[in-house]
Amino acid sequence: AQSVTQLGSHVSVSEGALVLLRCNYSSSVPPYLFWYVQYPNQGLQLLLKYTSAATLVKGINGFEAEFKKSETSFHLTKPSAHMSDAAEYFCAVSERNQGGKLIFGQGTELSVKP
Amino acid sequence: EAGVVQSPRYKIIEKKQPVAFWCNPISGHNTLYWYRQNLGQGPELLIRYENEEAVDDSQLPKDRFSAERLKGVDSTLKIQPAELGDSAVYLCASRQGGSAYEQYFGPGTRLTVT
Repeated sequence: AQSVTQLGSHVSVSEGALVLLRCNYSSSVPPYLFWYVQYPNQGLQLLLKYTSAATLVKGINGFEAEFKKSETSFHLTKPSAHMSDAAEYFCAVSERNQGGKLIFGQGTELSVKP
Repeated sequence: EAGVVQSPRYKIIEKKQPVAFWCNPISGHNTLYWYRQNLGQGPELLIRYENEEAVDDSQLPKDRFSAERLKGVDSTLKIQPAELGDSAVYLCASRQGGSAYEQYFGPGTRLTVT
C-alpha cells in the first residue's frame, strides 16, 4: 500500500534561515505529490503539487519542492523563513487512476524563532 | 469564489449521541471527499463521492457512520452512536477534474465526544 513518511514531527528554524521539510513516499510508479499547509483551526491549503511535469516545483509563499524519483523523495524548501510560515505541513500522494484519494504523512510542525 | 463550507465548526456531544456534519463544496466540483483527522496526524479518507454516487467508502465504519450527497452537491456525514474515539476533526474537500487536480479543503468540524 502507498505510504508517506515525513521525517521529523517538529522542525524549528530561526527567522531568515533555510526551511527544509522532508517527505518520502513508497510507490513503484511516480504518483502525484502535494504539499499542504494547515494553520491552527483551519483547513488545509495547497502549497504546491507535482504532476509529472518539471521536477522542481514552485509554489506559493516562496516554497518549492523537488521530485527525485531515485530517492522517492519530495522535500519542501524555502530559502528564508518568515514568522508567518509557522504552521503544520503535510506531504501527500495520490496514485494515478485512484480517484484522487490522498494519502497523507503524519505532518511536520514548523516553528520559526525570531 | 466561495470555498468549501462546513458546519458546524465545533461540536461537543456525549457518547452514544448522534451527530451530523454538513458540507457544501465549491460550485461545479463533482468530486467530494470526507476525511477524518485525529490529533497530531494527517487526514485519512472516509468516503469519496463522484456526483451523488459513493465510489469509495471502504474506510467508512459502516456500523455507525453514514453519508449522503443528495443531488450531487451538498453532503452530510452522520455518526450514530458516537464513541469517545470519534473525537477528531472532520474535513470535507472537493475537486474538479482528474486526479492531478488539487483538492480544496473546508475548515473542518472539530468533534469532541465526552
